[in-house]
Formats: sequence, C-alpha cells, structure tokens
Amino acid sequence: GQQLNQSPQSMFIQEGEDVSMNCTSSSIFNTWLWYKQDPGEGPVLLIALYKAGELTSNGRLTAQFGITRKDSFLNISASIPSDVGIYFCAGQAPSGSGYALNFGKGTSLLVTP
Amino acid sequence: DAGVIQSPRHEVTEMGQEVTLRCKPISGHNSLFWYRQTMMRGLELLIYFNNNVPIDDSGMPEDRFSAKMPNASFSTLKIQPSEPRDSAVYFCASSLLAGGDEQYFGPGTRLTVT
Repeated sequence: GQQLNQSPQSMFIQEGEDVSMNCTSSSIFNTWLWYKQDPGEGPVLLIALYKAGELTSNGRLTAQFGITRKDSFLNISASIPSDVGIYFCAGQAPSGSGYALNFGKGTSLLVTP
Repeated sequence: DAGVIQSPRHEVTEMGQEVTLRCKPISGHNSLFWYRQTMMRGLELLIYFNNNVPIDDSGMPEDRFSAKMPNASFSTLKIQPSEPRDSAVYFCASSLLAGGDEQYFGPGTRLTVT
C-alpha cells in the first residue's frame, strides 16, 4: 500500500493547549479518516473526510481533507487529559487499487493536567 | 449496539501450536477486515472479505496464515504453526458497505508466541 507520513510522532502538551497533527501521502486518496486508539483497545473512528478541501468537526476535533488529496490534518482544541492516546490517519486510494486502508504510524499524544 | 467482538482478548501459546482468532462483525455490515499491529510495522491489512467472500489476501504473511468467513456473523484467522514473530495484536474490523472506508475495529487479540 501507499506510505503515509504522519507527524509529529509524539506530542507532550499541557491541558488546555491546542494540538495539530498531519498526514501526507505520495499519492492521492479518495477518503481520509482519523482514528484514536486507547491502550489495550482498538482504533475508534473520529472523523471521515470524502472531498478535497472538506473541513469537518466532531466536538473539539476538526479535520481537513487537503486540496491536493495527498494530505490531511487533525486539530484538537482545548485539550483535556482524556485526549491521551495514539491518533492514526488512514487513507483509501481510488477504486482499482483495492479497498485497503493505508494507515500512518500514529501520533502519540500525552496531556498533563 | 454491540460493536465488533473478538475472542480471545489475550492468547499465549508456544511456538508450533495452532492459534485461532475469532471475530463477530457488527450486525448488517458487509465487509470484514483482519489487521495486525506491531510497533515496527504499525497496522497492516492481512485480508478482507466482502459478503463473506475473500477479496484480497495479499497481506497474509505466508501459508501459515489462513482466514475463513463461513457466514455473515463470524470469521476466523488461523495461524498454523505459530512462530514467535507472529506475536502482535490482531484486529478485526467491519464496515457497512462492501469495501467500505468507515471501518469499525474490535478490541483486538494480543497474541504472544513463546
């Protein structure tokens, strides 16, 4: 599958700060998704994006599908301790390339009270 | 609503033994995916099914791995014989649409092969 570069690899912030992470690909995707994984659990879908330029919010989370279709970012505003976890981006290539989701390596977020 | 159910949650076995992981997808979902997660390689797709039919198994590491989906509510991933390098967390995910992108993950099975 296509390689996704997710950055930063980890973040250590204080409660109340805003967070930004992004994902880039060497090829275009039709869909971008953002997942959060808590320790010992499976990834949980946060936001799904389907159109280039689309900006979607889910509570304090906002994600955008890049215009070039090769990137996406996720913002978390006013972070709280329960935001701790690993955030993964995932992209789905245009049909004909199969339906596999290509996952980034994740951004580990630590929030101190 | 019940999410994706996986069993067992943890499995410890000795090298050479057969391991069977089980998955029950979300009711009504038409696609099922098996992933493996390791620190080194992250999340890797092993195989996926549409309407119980295997579509793409190119991610299956080798012949020791096999997966079945005998009906819409059950799938297994079998490793025979298991090796220490198979140690990982194995996730099952399902999606509503065939080959769908919004995939919902189970809690995973942590496999340790000694």
